[in-house]
Formats: sequence, C-alpha cells, structure tokens
Amino acid sequence: EPEVTQTPSHQVTQMGQEVILRCVPISNHLYFYWYRQILGQKVEFLVSFYNNEISEKSEIFDDQFSVERPDGSNFTLKIRSTKLEDSAMYFCASSENHDQETQYFGPGTRLLVL
Amino acid sequence: GENVEQHPSTLSVQEGDSAVIKCTYSDSASNYFPWYKQELGKRPQLIIDIRSNVGEKKDQRIAVTLNKTAKHFSLHITETQPEDSAVYFCAASPNTNAGKSTFGDGTTLTVKP
Repeated sequence: EPEVTQTPSHQVTQMGQEVILRCVPISNHLYFYWYRQILGQKVEFLVSFYNNEISEKSEIFDDQFSVERPDGSNFTLKIRSTKLEDSAMYFCASSENHDQETQYFGPGTRLLVL
Repeated sequence: GENVEQHPSTLSVQEGDSAVIKCTYSDSASNYFPWYKQELGKRPQLIIDIRSNVGEKKDQRIAVTLNKTAKHFSLHITETQPEDSAVYFCAASPNTNAGKSTFGDGTTLTVKP
C-alpha cells in the first residue's frame, strides 16, 4: 500500500539555523499538508497546499515558514531561522482530492532546536 | 476558527470493556470528522471517519456517532484489547479545498489485561 514518506526522521539544529524537512506524498494525491505536534500535545495544522500554491495556513505558519513543491514528487517545509519553540514532530500528510478528505500521514520528522 | 474539545483526557478500562471518547466542535461548517489512533512515537493513523450526512458508522469493534445539531461526535470501542492502548485524537474539517483539520487534545486510552 502506498505511504507518505518523510526525511530525515530526526534533525538536530542550532537556534537560528535554517532547516528543510522533506516529504514525498502518495503519488496520485493532489493535496498536501504540514502539521506539527509538540511533545505530549495535540496535532496542529500548519499549512495546506494545492495546485502549487498555499490553500490555507494557520497563525503558527508565520514568515519564517515556507513550503515548496520543487519537483513532481517532493513537498518541503522550510523553517528559515529556527527557534527553541520550533522543536516538535512535523508530520506531512496528503489526500487525493477535496471530495475525499481522508488524509494519510507520514512517519514524521522529529526536530530538536538547541 | 474551529475549536474542538475532547473528553476525557485519559481513560482506563479493563480488557473486554467498552470505551467511549467524546468530542464537541464549534464551527457549523465542519462536515468531516476523522478519528486517529497514535501509538507512542508513531504517526497518527485514521481508524474511522464520518461525514455530516451520516449519523452513525461502524467498522467491526469501532463505531462513531455524530449529532450535528448538538455539534458533538463520539468514538465507541467495544470489546477492548490491550493493543487498543494508544492516544486517540478526534478532528473536524470543513468541506473546502484546503481540507484543514482541527484536532482535539487527545485521549490516552489504557486497556488493562
């Protein structure tokens, strides 16, 4: 069964550094999402992406965040200048179309900002 | 924006008993309600979902009920097993192209053998 994949599984970075988290959505899916989950807390929506542009973003998704689909398979989340509070698990998800909202989550990238 | 509240935050049951987790939502535009199971350190996995044109849905030991008037929906697990132990999240999503989901705070379910 096709799955969403994410790399790296873990990332440690220094405060102020830029990080890029990578995702490969399921191949025939058209809608892509990033969520984050701070340790022990709920999953929080960051951004959704369709047709090469952001569809919706939350208040968490400020100017330090950006997303990109650089080619036909990858979907990336860039954090420009990381802060301690960016430490979290970041999940990518994808869904086939807006009439079928079932989202399939990737395994996540655990980001630790020191 | 949408606000989803989930209760209880922790739930402990004996193997074989039933477990019920309840969620309320605030945005009447929400019409898709998935439930996710998340084991420690793993990704959220969809276990069942319900759309607003349906009042109840069942899949083996798992069922979900939806009351749109009262804006609440519930997850029912019957004949619980130790492997059901996990964190369960409800979510609510509007019918837009974005498919944004707002999650509840989660319920830690422990099934004691």
